[in-house]
Amino acid sequence: AQSVTQLGSHVSVSEGALVLLRCNYSSSVPPYLFWYVQYPNQGLQLLLKYTTGATLVKGINGFEAEFKKSETSFHLTKPSAHMSDAAEYFCAVSAPGNTPLVFGKGTRLSVIA
Amino acid sequence: DAGVTQSPTHLIKTRGQQVTLRCSPKSGHDTVSWYQQALGQGPQFIFQYYEEEERQRGNFPDRFSGHQFPNYSSELNVNALLLGDSALYLCASSHYGTVNYGYTFGSGTRLTVV
Repeated sequence: AQSVTQLGSHVSVSEGALVLLRCNYSSSVPPYLFWYVQYPNQGLQLLLKYTTGATLVKGINGFEAEFKKSETSFHLTKPSAHMSDAAEYFCAVSAPGNTPLVFGKGTRLSVIA
Repeated sequence: DAGVTQSPTHLIKTRGQQVTLRCSPKSGHDTVSWYQQALGQGPQFIFQYYEEEERQRGNFPDRFSGHQFPNYSSELNVNALLLGDSALYLCASSHYGTVNYGYTFGSGTRLTVV
């Protein structure tokens, strides 16, 4: 079975500050890992994904994440927060093959001017 | 390029009623997955359809059923609605066998059961 734990249901940062959203996963097989963003009253948009290869993954809107197998983590970062980054962020895990995504409970990011 | 389209966007139903939600996948996609997102929670997998058959199912009761049509569009049906069924229902499409490379999600249907 797979699971995801997102540490911190709400994170608040100042505009221009570093964004760090934490995600730890549990998987009995090599995981595929994803970060999605959800704006109010909208669906989910894929930010970035890790499947195989380079462990540092770059995504859209300046976000990146690093897969650390030894720490079972896949934290999301952005060097400088923008007001438009305020949204709900979800980490998800899957496994090789046709397996569904398992999502964490989400972290709400607030950006303060 | 049309993305995933879901209808309706909102609806209100009474306990015990039945509801049908609809989804048209992104052009070129052949697989549809449905997720339930309760308020303040992450999405939970309901089931997945490919070639008009249910391929995988999450931990949801038989009150939740679905269908996929030859044009790859899909319906989610929920019978005997409970208050706890109130949620955002998300449809996601993909190519079968490449689902691990990320789904394309629709904007969802907000279901309120009163």
